[in-house]
Amino acid sequence: GAVVSQHPSRVICKSGTSVKIECRSLDFQATTMFWYRQFPKQSLMLMATSNEGSKATYEQGVEKDKFLINHASLTLSTLTVTSAHPEDSSFYICSASSISSTDTQYFGPGTRLTVL
Amino acid sequence: QKEVEQDPGPLSVPEGAIVSLNCTYSNSAFQYFMWYRQYSRKGPELLMYTYSSGNKEDGRFTAQVDKSSKYISLFIRDSQPSDSATYLCAMSANQKLVFGQGTRLTINP
Repeated sequence: GAVVSQHPSRVICKSGTSVKIECRSLDFQATTMFWYRQFPKQSLMLMATSNEGSKATYEQGVEKDKFLINHASLTLSTLTVTSAHPEDSSFYICSASSISSTDTQYFGPGTRLTVL
Repeated sequence: QKEVEQDPGPLSVPEGAIVSLNCTYSNSAFQYFMWYRQYSRKGPELLMYTYSSGNKEDGRFTAQVDKSSKYISLFIRDSQPSDSATYLCAMSANQKLVFGQGTRLTINP
């Protein structure tokens, strides 16, 4: 149980384009989903927290107009990187927590974004 | 000072050895303590979860929490080459996770 999927697993795009990443909880309802960013050989940095049906809460320094988050249902959250630039290239990972275990997060497999 | 400190390693041990991974923290508000394993280019996988001081065992893994010292450990017995990965400690208060830097572990056959 507690499986989280992400799609796509890898994406390459041109500078200036927008990229959408999907995060789904497959076998549980995710009241809260989280988006992280991870640079090589570094730990995960929380970007934003989203609750179903509410606006996402962004961490300090994360541009909400650049990283659009939508949490439309209890099993799906999306992250859209708008007008991507090479410095946005990174490993993006989502996680989800359930109603029954709000302090435990289950992570997706991650999406590697490369902006040319 | 970081909220969570973890030695990044790398740590290399022979197969069958007992591995000890550690983290210290400064925020006494942390209530939940977790260990995640992350293979290269994959998402973190939850290994252990605990919320009280003491030991919790699951197969070859033992998680230890000492709240008075603000210190947590993960022990791996009979280590296997497949245990080679980055191990991240994580702690939470009010649902937010704070991660350690991660320790890169290699088990040599």
